[in-house]
Amino acid sequence: GAVVSQHPSWVICKSGTSVKIECRSLDFQATTMFWYRQFPKQSLMLMATSNEGSKATYEQGVEKDKFLINHASLTLSTLTVTSAHPEDSSFYICSAHIGNLNGYTFGSGTRLTVV
Amino acid sequence: DQQVKQNSPSLSVQEGRISILNCDYTNSMFDYFLWYKKYPAEGPTFLISISSIKDKNEDGRFTVFLNKSAKHLSLHIVPSQPGDSAVYFCAASVNFGNEKLTFGTGTRLTIIP
Repeated sequence: GAVVSQHPSWVICKSGTSVKIECRSLDFQATTMFWYRQFPKQSLMLMATSNEGSKATYEQGVEKDKFLINHASLTLSTLTVTSAHPEDSSFYICSAHIGNLNGYTFGSGTRLTVV
Repeated sequence: DQQVKQNSPSLSVQEGRISILNCDYTNSMFDYFLWYKKYPAEGPTFLISISSIKDKNEDGRFTVFLNKSAKHLSLHIVPSQPGDSAVYFCAASVNFGNEKLTFGTGTRLTIIP
């Protein structure tokens, strides 16, 4: 089945540094990738939708200059958290639409802790 | 504005009995609904989906019911097994699943052996 590989699975960084999270579609081409964030005991909230070769579409309230999304190829989308702060600590998950009735496949998530 | 709601944050069910998880939505444009199972620090795992042209979809132990007039869907798991213990999210989309997902708040299901 369609698999999205997400790395790293966890990362700890210092305040002010930047962190890059990668999502790769392993056996299919992902024209569209979705990036979600989940705070403890809360729902998955969509941050942005990335389309291959074009600018990402950000949800209201998400800073596009802070959360840089690049979707340069049909198999790779990246999310870079720039100048990270402790309040950015969260669980980040990517997802790709796989074009069948199952709809979407998700990466395994990245636990980001900013200290 | 929470367009998809799961009003029960937690549910405990005896092993072998039926688990019923509920989900309500407010956006009448939603036409595709999915249920996911999630463990901590992992991505969601797809369970079952239903489009608005149907009112029931069944896959093994999992059945999803959709009541469009009430804007309500439910997931039935029978018989419940210990491995079913997890957080369950319902999600909704427009354009029959070709758009972004809006997730509910989740229900933690605990199956009691």
